[in-house]
Amino acid sequence: AQSVSQHNHHVILSEAASLELGCNYSYGGTVNLFWYVQYPGQHLQLLLKYFSGDPLVKGIKGFEAEFIKSKFSFNLRKPSVQWSDTAEYFCAVKDTDKLIFGTGTRLQVFP
Amino acid sequence: DADVTQTPRNRITKTGKRIMLECSQTKGHDRMYWYRQDPGLGLQLIYYSFDVKDINKGEISDGYSVSRQAQAKFSLSLESAIPNQTALYFCATSDYGEDTQYFGPGTRLTVL
Repeated sequence: AQSVSQHNHHVILSEAASLELGCNYSYGGTVNLFWYVQYPGQHLQLLLKYFSGDPLVKGIKGFEAEFIKSKFSFNLRKPSVQWSDTAEYFCAVKDTDKLIFGTGTRLQVFP
Repeated sequence: DADVTQTPRNRITKTGKRIMLECSQTKGHDRMYWYRQDPGLGLQLIYYSFDVKDINKGEISDGYSVSRQAQAKFSLSLESAIPNQTALYFCATSDYGEDTQYFGPGTRLTVL
């Protein structure tokens, strides 16, 4: 079965800093990959997803992610974070008919 | 997301009590899921259902049961609650052939 690793558990940045959150999945083949965000006190919302095609995926709020097949990675990036990006970020991979989620990365952005 | 609702939003109960968490959706999706979220563990799948007559166990189904009363309703029960079931519980839905899941607002459950 697939598994997902998010190595950054807690990231602290100042506003305008660049962000990259790591996500690795366990094995190859055709993969569907997702990034979800959970703002404080809210439910999970889809940021972006990759199914096929261009490995650089653009999502909402200026986020993007790059699928690198050779590295089994799907890292999330944003060139300049804002205080409102403070949230928990979850990477997920489709496994058969289910989504397998990583343990999440808590991002704190200070003004 | 008002399309997926969960009741109650918060619940405090005692060890040994049976409780039910409810999820309703107006998205018309066939597939529904129950997850629990614990700090540092992410989301773990409890049960999922692909239609009214289809129920499947997830990673951590022990101590839980579910009922799919209709396409739009999927309930999670804790038969005899224990303190380590204290967590945030999320319901999610997805459409057949579409892998994106849409989440409800969550139920914060505390078992004393």
